[in-house]
Amino acid sequence: GAGVSQTPSNKVTEKGKYVELRCDPISGHTALYWYRQSLGQGPEFLIYFQGTGAADDSGLPNDRFFAVRPEGSVSTLKIQRTERGDSAVYLCASSHAASGPYEQYFGPGTRLTVT
Amino acid sequence: AQTVTQSQPEMSVQEAETVTLSCTYDTSESDYYLFWYKQPPSRQMILVIRQEAYKQQNATENRFSVNFQKAAKSFSLKISDSQLGDAAMYFCAYLSSGNTPLVFGKGTRLSVIA
Repeated sequence: GAGVSQTPSNKVTEKGKYVELRCDPISGHTALYWYRQSLGQGPEFLIYFQGTGAADDSGLPNDRFFAVRPEGSVSTLKIQRTERGDSAVYLCASSHAASGPYEQYFGPGTRLTVT
Repeated sequence: AQTVTQSQPEMSVQEAETVTLSCTYDTSESDYYLFWYKQPPSRQMILVIRQEAYKQQNATENRFSVNFQKAAKSFSLKISDSQLGDAAMYFCAYLSSGNTPLVFGKGTRLSVIA
């Protein structure tokens, strides 16, 4: 079946602009995660959804970052007033309790560049 | 909070040889999972192997195996008969029980020399 997809693949934006990054999880996966991977680093957790609600948003760096998952499937990560430090690869992953043990399937990521 | 440490930023191996990537972690939990992920230049994270902490037997997946030392909090990955396609970033990751975020190490870049 189809894996996790993310759009766009690459996004270049100017400092101060607003961006939206989209994640389509594997069909039927109830859990969805956003991670941020800076150059030369491992992915770092941003936010986790179980269904439609954000179960844990403790990784969001500040209030410029926001994510939604209104119907429990597709999720959008929204970044306001982008800063150059937001440049990174944003990874999305999904999982299902029936996938043992809670294996997370990753999308190819969106590379965000803030100029 | 859990932490994962990969002390080897870069490693290289000759084709057909064996290489071991190191990973240590810190946790106060007794029940958890450990993973090795491979990330090629395409950025796609690919699960290589996983280990449940309650299992004493080391996991094996074809040419990939782990050495899980729970008391030492060590989880190394051994790649046997290395192939050119094994060249990638490798990340060690920790998962608490249940649907929780993964905690990743900083990664090890593996080069395979023909």
